[in-house]
Amino acid sequence: ELKVEQNPLFLSMQEGKNYTIYCNYSTTSDRLYWYRQDPGKSLESLFVLLSNGAVKQEGRLMASLDTKARLSTLHITAAVHDLSATYFCAVRAGNQFYFGTGTSLTVIP
Amino acid sequence: EAGVAQSPRYKIIEKRQSVAFWCNPISGHATLYWYQQILGQGPKLLIQFQNNGVVDDSQLPKDRFSAERLKGVDSTLKIQPAKLEDSAVYLCASSRAPETQYFGPGTRLLVL
Repeated sequence: ELKVEQNPLFLSMQEGKNYTIYCNYSTTSDRLYWYRQDPGKSLESLFVLLSNGAVKQEGRLMASLDTKARLSTLHITAAVHDLSATYFCAVRAGNQFYFGTGTSLTVIP
Repeated sequence: EAGVAQSPRYKIIEKRQSVAFWCNPISGHATLYWYQQILGQGPKLLIQFQNNGVVDDSQLPKDRFSAERLKGVDSTLKIQPAKLEDSAVYLCASSRAPETQYFGPGTRLLVL
């Protein structure tokens, strides 16, 4: 079974600071996804990364993919309180989708 | 465009009882997924349908879980009999293509 590991699991950061969430996976995959989940809510798709070296940006979030290293990063620039949520990466292998354990982000004013 | 609809939103049952969840995907989405999300964990894919055919059900505990998607639209997921460890949020998602899945609000199941 494919393993997807995220770190850190918990992140508390001050507004205005930058930080990176890491997502490592254990075997070859052709798709990497990032989702956001607010407490008690469902998942919202943020990014889909389809190839090695792919980089996507939306507002203060930027995601990248290195398929050779089996690593994706989600970089947060100048964090704001609205970004507080749990962030999941997920990897597609064949017809299966494997999610990481999530990174719970709290942005402190 | 209406989102993915699920019902009920909450369900409390006793162990060994049966329960069923319903999902109505976004119109035109051929692919439908059922996930189980245990508190503090990422979602786990239970079953994937393409129209009304099963694409993957390798992680579905088939001794107690079953799912169907009649006419390639709505889907139901059933647990019979439920165990304590089935307490979780059951998420339904749909997509036109595998790249972007749209998730419903989920059904929170508590098994006592």
